Amino acid sequence: GQSLEQPSEVTAVEGAIVQINCTYQTSGFYGLSWYQQHDGGAPTFLSYNALDGLEETGRFSSFLSRSDSYGYLLLQELQMKDSASYFCALGSWGKFQFGAGTQVVVTP
Amino acid sequence: DGGITQSPKYLFRKEGQNVTLSCEQNLNHDAMYWYRQDPGQGLRLIYYSQIVNDFQKGDIAEGYSVSREKKESFPLTVTSAQKNPTAFYLCASSPEPGQGATEAFFGQGTRLTVV
Repeated sequence: GQSLEQPSEVTAVEGAIVQINCTYQTSGFYGLSWYQQHDGGAPTFLSYNALDGLEETGRFSSFLSRSDSYGYLLLQELQMKDSASYFCALGSWGKFQFGAGTQVVVTP
Repeated sequence: DGGITQSPKYLFRKEGQNVTLSCEQNLNHDAMYWYRQDPGQGLRLIYYSQIVNDFQKGDIAEGYSVSREKKESFPLTVTSAQKNPTAFYLCASSPEPGQGATEAFFGQGTRLTVV
């Protein structure tokens, strides 16, 4: 089977940089993706890594190291609206497996 | 506009009753999924379908059933056999499952409460 681990909560101030780590165990996968979910809302796609390395999308960047079974999401120039839950997900043929999520709390 | 529509947004059910949650997509995606989310928890996979008339059980399929008679529709039935059905249910879809799932598009969810 597959399993993913993320920290449960991270707190940071506006303007700061936050890194959310995701470690996983799997027998095979195509890529690691990241989603944002505000309270009561639907998850929205942020970023995807099929290959090792860094993918940059505006203020958000995602990194994958297959050899270390590890990835992270980097949130830069934090804004109040970034307060949300963030999930990593493994994509394998036909389905996605999600981590338990990291609650990011941004303070003034 | 293309997207995924879930209905209803809120649903109340009496214990012992079956209830069906609707999920429709007009994105022309082959793959569709149902997830359950409990408060403060991640998303757990209930069922998924890669093609019409075919679907597979996810991690928590007991007490649920699905059908995939049309590409755009993937309804979920929560049966009376589901011991703790109160949760937030999310439907999703993605293109090209045969080439590896890369991105899932989610509906706005249905919040089911058993009363």
